[in-house]
Amino acid sequence: AQTVTQSQPEMSVQEAETVTLSCTYDTSESDYYLFWYKQPPSRQMILVIRQEAYKQQNATENRFSVNFQKAAKSFSLKISDSQLGDAAMYFCAYRSARWGAGGTSYGKLTFGQGTILTVHP
Amino acid sequence: DSGVTQTPKHLITATGQRVTLRCSPRSGDLSVYWYQQSLDQGLQFLIQYYNGEERAKGNILERFSAQQFPDLHSELNLSSLELGDSALYFCASSVEGEVGGRGTGELFFGEGSRLTVL
Repeated sequence: AQTVTQSQPEMSVQEAETVTLSCTYDTSESDYYLFWYKQPPSRQMILVIRQEAYKQQNATENRFSVNFQKAAKSFSLKISDSQLGDAAMYFCAYRSARWGAGGTSYGKLTFGQGTILTVHP
Repeated sequence: DSGVTQTPKHLITATGQRVTLRCSPRSGDLSVYWYQQSLDQGLQFLIQYYNGEERAKGNILERFSAQQFPDLHSELNLSSLELGDSALYFCASSVEGEVGGRGTGELFFGEGSRLTVL
């Protein structure tokens, strides 16, 4: 079974600064997706960024970028020019890209424990 | 707006009672997933349906059950409720999920149903 670990329960950053959230995962699969979801106080789950394992290029979405190290099974999120609206719980998540008979995941997301990000003005 | 609709948004009930949470997936999505998020905790996968059939089970209690109807909406039934069942219950949908298929990406989440058991 796949596992996702976020070792930083809480992080803080000054507005306009850069912060990096860490995530490691464990899998025997070679084809999968990794995601970062943001959960603000409204508790809605918002997709921040997605990475496909077979793509070596790190994904980028505006101020958000990832450092995907497949061999090390590491997937960190970098937030540049942090804004007050970035304050939220951030979840790293894993999803198999292929599923089939025999007890595989059928496409569910496996989440890490989350990291609470505080942004100071 | 993710396109996934969950009702009710809030629900307060007493121990021992039964409630039903409803989810309408995005148009065209065949897979529905249910997740439970207890206070200050991560999301725990409960169950997945694809086109009306159960496809995967997670940490779902025997007191809980779910189904997906022909119109693809899904319901999560929680019975004999306990205080510890108080949580935010998310529904998510995706277009794929067939055996042997390759996924195209993310799950789309509804806004959740907040259940409080008193």
